[in-house]
This record gives sequence, structure tokens and C-alpha cells, in this order.
Amino acid sequence: AQSVTQLDSQVPVFEEAPVELRCNYSSSVSVYLFWYVQYPNQGLQLLLKYLSGSTLVKGINGFEAEFNKSQTSFHLRKPSVHISDTAEYFCAVSLLGAKLVFGAGTILRVKS
Amino acid sequence: KAGVTQTPRYLIKTRGQQVTLSCSPISGHRSVSWYQQTPGQGLQFLFEYFSETQRNKGNFPGRFSGRQFSNSRSEMNVSTLELGDSALYLCASSFPPGENTEAFFGQGTRLTVV
Repeated sequence: AQSVTQLDSQVPVFEEAPVELRCNYSSSVSVYLFWYVQYPNQGLQLLLKYLSGSTLVKGINGFEAEFNKSQTSFHLRKPSVHISDTAEYFCAVSLLGAKLVFGAGTILRVKS
Repeated sequence: KAGVTQTPRYLIKTRGQQVTLSCSPISGHRSVSWYQQTPGQGLQFLFEYFSETQRNKGNFPGRFSGRQFSNSRSEMNVSTLELGDSALYLCASSFPPGENTEAFFGQGTRLTVV
């Protein structure tokens, strides 16, 4: 079975500062990895995904993530955050893309 | 291209009642999955339908059921509602299910059981 651990429940950061949201996963087989963002009272929007190939994945809104197989991690980063990045971020794993196993979420609070 | 549409957006029901939620996937998508989101349990997979057949099921009681129609639209039903069923129910569609696919989510239906 797969599982996902998001190491921080909340991350406060000042505007224009860099941020890293941490995600570790557990799986006995190769998985696909995703980061989703959820704004209040909204559904989930895909930020980026790792299926195979380059371990550095670039997504929308300036986010990127690095897949590290040896450390079973898939941390999300952004070099300079904006107030509009305030949201909840979810890391997820999947075997085939249809059934996602999500982490508990990390609330990113960007302060001015 | 229209996104995933879930109706209704908000719903208030009484304990013991039943409820039906609807999801219209993106045109051409044949896989529809349902998730329950609560503050305590987070996002949990309910079930997935593909070509009118349930392909995967999460760990929920039999009160939770679903179906998919020939046009790929899906409904989920919860019978004998309990207070703990209050949640945001999210639907996601993808095409085709399997490798190199991503799930597109609707805005969800907020169910409140009183």
C-alpha cells in the first residue's frame, strides 16, 4: 500500500521569500507523484506531476519539485512566493493515476 | 473546454436521509473518481468508475454507492446519512485511466448533515 507524509501542517513565510513544502512517500513499487493546490471552497488544481524522466519537475505558477527516489521524497519549492500563493497544498501518489492517495496537506500562509 | 461540473455545490440534509450527488466529467473523459474531504480524515478515495463499471473502491461502508452512465456522467449516493458524513465531496475525471494521466477535479459538493 502507498502512503504520503507531509511533514509540515502549516508553513508561514513572508512575501517574496523562498518556500519548500516537504513530502515523503512510502511504496513498494514505482509510483507517480503529484502536487495539488486547493484554494478556499474550491476543488483541487494540479500544480505538477512526476511520471518518469527528469527528477526536477516544473509546474504552474513558478513551482517546481524534485523527485528523490533514495530518500522517497518529492518536495515542492518556489523561489519567491506571492500573497496569492496562500492556499493548502497536497502531495499525492498513484499507481495508475486514477486512484490518488493524498497527504494530510500543508497550509501555506504568505505574509506581507 | 468545460471542466468537471459537480451539482449541487451546497446541500443540507437531515440525519437518516439519503442524498445523491452528480458529476459531469470533462468531455471525452471516461474515468470518474470520487473523494471525501473532511478536516479530520483529509482526502479519502471513495470509488472510481470507468465505462459504467466500478474499478476501484475505497474503505467506506456500503451506505456509499455510485454509478456511471453511458455518457460518463456519474452519481454518488449516500443512504442513511450520519453527522460524520458532513464533508466536501470531490469528483475527478481523467482520460484514459492508467499511465500518463492526471485527474481533473470539480469544485466539489459541500454536504452538511444536521
